[in-house]
Amino acid sequence: QKEVEQNSGPLSVPEGAIASLNCTYSDRGSQSFFWYRQYSGKSPELIMSIYSNGDKEDGRFTAQLNKASQYVSLLIRDSQPSDSATYLCAVRPGSGTYKYIFGTGTRLKVLA
Amino acid sequence: EPEVTQTPSHQVTQMGQEVILRCVPISNHLYFYWYRQILGQKVEFLVSFYNNEISEKSEIFDDQFSVERPDGSNFTLKIRSTKLEDSAMYFCASSENSLGNVPQHFGDGTRLSIL
Repeated sequence: QKEVEQNSGPLSVPEGAIASLNCTYSDRGSQSFFWYRQYSGKSPELIMSIYSNGDKEDGRFTAQLNKASQYVSLLIRDSQPSDSATYLCAVRPGSGTYKYIFGTGTRLKVLA
Repeated sequence: EPEVTQTPSHQVTQMGQEVILRCVPISNHLYFYWYRQILGQKVEFLVSFYNNEISEKSEIFDDQFSVERPDGSNFTLKIRSTKLEDSAMYFCASSENSLGNVPQHFGDGTRLSIL
């Protein structure tokens, strides 16, 4: 059974701080990794994707991937109250499948 | 920015009734998906659809479920005889192609409540 694990939180950080969100996955053949933000009762909104080991930066967001450790993370710099949401890690397993496997999500609270 | 649209936003149905959830994927996208999220739980894959055929389905997608692309724009999920446990948020998603580095874009969802 392919699994994606996240700490459900809540993760509370003060405004302006760096929020660090983590995700581990069980399928070593996984190729594509996505971070989605989900506000309560709303749809998952794509924030970032990452496919290669290392860091990928987009504005205040940095995704980090370590395939050897089967670990992907999302850093949010200068956290704002509007970043308060649930962050979903989604993994597309190895070739031959179209589906994403989602983690339970980490609830982030940015305190003003 | 183009987006996936879903209707209705909320559907209330009696147990045993049929329900059809509708989606309009992004216009140049070729791959379509349905996911569901039971309250407080993970987003779960149901089915993917390409070239008027199901390309993959999960064990959740049993005989009571079906999908269809009745015309050039709509993509529907039908639940034939709804059960209480079908109550969930149903998300439609689409992607340009099936390459791993091409993300799926999600609609705002339909909240299905079975009474």
